Amino acid sequence: NAGVTQTPKFQVLKTGQSMTLQCAQDMNHEYMSWYRQDPGMGLRLIHYSVGAGITDQGEVPNGYNVSRSTTEDFPLRLLSAAPSQTSVYFCASGTGNQPQHFGDGTRLSIL
Amino acid sequence: GQNIDQPTEMTATEGAIVQINCTYQTSGFNGLFWYQQHAGEAPTFLSYNVLDGLEEKGRFSSFLSRSKGYSYLLLKELQMKDSASYLCAVRDREDNAGNMLTFGGGTRLMVKP
Repeated sequence: NAGVTQTPKFQVLKTGQSMTLQCAQDMNHEYMSWYRQDPGMGLRLIHYSVGAGITDQGEVPNGYNVSRSTTEDFPLRLLSAAPSQTSVYFCASGTGNQPQHFGDGTRLSIL
Repeated sequence: GQNIDQPTEMTATEGAIVQINCTYQTSGFNGLFWYQQHAGEAPTFLSYNVLDGLEEKGRFSSFLSRSKGYSYLLLKELQMKDSASYLCAVRDREDNAGNMLTFGGGTRLMVKP
């Protein structure tokens, strides 16, 4: 039981490049979400999903896309990377009223 | 809008007790969570309050007053390993909306010998 797995752990991109951050969970959780964490600002919700085929926007969705084709996977796509998207990205999953489980994060730098 | 406030930094001495406060103003309320996050690591769940009162779990306790929009996390018998950030988060949707959370900025606790 690996929990929530995020890849890659580190990534450096140039402005304008696109990439996909991967997130997978093996706990059969219906809820999955993406947060970004910036210094002094806590975790902010980007997108979330309440089940396969269903996604919705969070607090800071601009510049990001998501899809949820299976229960296990919830990739986050940066369409055209910008320096403002330099951050640490956390994926989380949960079920019912239980607390969310977080992945180890992806540290992304945009030059 | 949603507003969750907690102190940015706190310092305490090994063996002592420290209380980290959190105040919130949210459009709804369906539970308050405390997470611990060591530098460079993922947040890990500490405690959950949905009703008023104190929840105790070993050295850690969490208190909630819904009428005051107020919670605190109490850490007893502080250890050096307790040096971390402590995140207060509110689930503000009655319909659960995927169990999503709104986080405060976090309190960085430094424990000194």
